Amino acid sequence: TQLLEQSPQFLSIQEGENLTVYCNSSSVFSSLQWYRQEPGEGPVLLVTVVTGGEVKKLKRLTFQFGDARKDSSLHITAAQPGDTGLYLCAGASLGETSGSRLTFGEGTQLTVNP
Amino acid sequence: DTAVSQTPKYLVTQMGNDKSIKCEQNLGHDTMYWYKQDSKKFLKIMFSYNNKELIINETVPNRFSPKSPDKAHLNLHINSLELGDSAVYFCASSQFFTAYSPLHFGNGTRLTVT
Repeated sequence: TQLLEQSPQFLSIQEGENLTVYCNSSSVFSSLQWYRQEPGEGPVLLVTVVTGGEVKKLKRLTFQFGDARKDSSLHITAAQPGDTGLYLCAGASLGETSGSRLTFGEGTQLTVNP
Repeated sequence: DTAVSQTPKYLVTQMGNDKSIKCEQNLGHDTMYWYKQDSKKFLKIMFSYNNKELIINETVPNRFSPKSPDKAHLNLHINSLELGDSAVYFCASSQFFTAYSPLHFGNGTRLTVT
């Protein structure tokens, strides 16, 4: 079973601070997705990274896929209370073409205090 | 307006009962899924249907039976409910059955078995 470990598990910061969330595995993934989930709702896709070393920016969020495609990071600049939520990474196994074979990490619960 | 909708939002029932959760998507997607999110927020795939055909059936007790009457609907029936079935169940869909096709989740059904 392929595992995705996310760290930290919980993060509480003040508005305006920067933060980085990590998603690590010993396995290689063909692609990796990041989702954000708010209370009472389903996860919503933020980004998909496919190429080793790829960097994608979404406003104040920067996503990076490791060169070896075993890890990824999410960096948030100048965090805002609206960034509060559960951040989930999900990897598609190498060789698998099925999107439903996504392996999810256990999530990072981020709280941004005003 | 809602892309993936599931009912009910909350389901409280006693051990031994049988219950169903319904899911509908209006996105025109080919693939639908059921995921289970436990108390630690870990998301795990249960079933996947592509064009009404069961594609993925993870290690799930056979008390759980999915049914897809058409591409837009995927229901989940659970027999003889047990305490350990308490969780949030998410329906999701994707346009294609590939690793790069993002998942669109419903807002979940919180099942509590007493």
